[in-house]
Amino acid sequence: GESVGLHLPTLSVQEGDNSIINCAYSNSASDYFIWYKQESGKGPQFIIDIRSNMDKRQGQRVTVLLNKTVKHLSLQIAATQPGDSAVYFCAEKQRGSTLGRLYFGRGTQLTVWP
Amino acid sequence: DAGVIQSPRHEVTEMGQEVTLRCKPISGHDYLFWYRQTMMRGLELLIYFNNNVPIDDSGMPEDRFSAKMPNASFSTLKIQPSEPRDSAVYFCASSLYLADYLNTQYFGPGTRLTVL
Repeated sequence: GESVGLHLPTLSVQEGDNSIINCAYSNSASDYFIWYKQESGKGPQFIIDIRSNMDKRQGQRVTVLLNKTVKHLSLQIAATQPGDSAVYFCAEKQRGSTLGRLYFGRGTQLTVWP
Repeated sequence: DAGVIQSPRHEVTEMGQEVTLRCKPISGHDYLFWYRQTMMRGLELLIYFNNNVPIDDSGMPEDRFSAKMPNASFSTLKIQPSEPRDSAVYFCASSLYLADYLNTQYFGPGTRLTVL
């Protein structure tokens, strides 16, 4: 099957700046997307999700944008903090797959400098 | 709640040996997932269970891998015989409920497996 990919493998930002992490997907049948955060030595942690019938969804300090025309997903983190340093993954559920099957991208390493 | 519990946290074994990884999901969660994470392939779903029944095992690499869930609070992932290419971090995750637009999985800390 098609896989989720990422534009940038690493991103460095200064504390207080906004971060934008990008993700490209190639399966137009994908109908649900999730962002996960993985800190060093830990398992992934759910951040935010979005359905394919939405363009934008906001959480606490995070916003996910979905552009289905170009099959692009982004995660925006406002006022980035040192605790945001982690690897961020996007994951997709492809229509026709079993309910629990998610396909994960390779990840972007976010480093926040004081 | 204690979260998803995995054991051991680290395992070093020699090629050909049997390896058993263990997972205790969050109490009350009906779904349990096993993942493998490597630098080359990223995070891959191996298998998942619903109410102790395997639902999708299409990600299990080959017959050397097997997973069981004898009850709602315990699952094992077994590799027999192990090979160096099985070296990876294996995660267990659980979820209370799944729907078309709802898939919140809680991951354990992982087991780092090294096969020499």
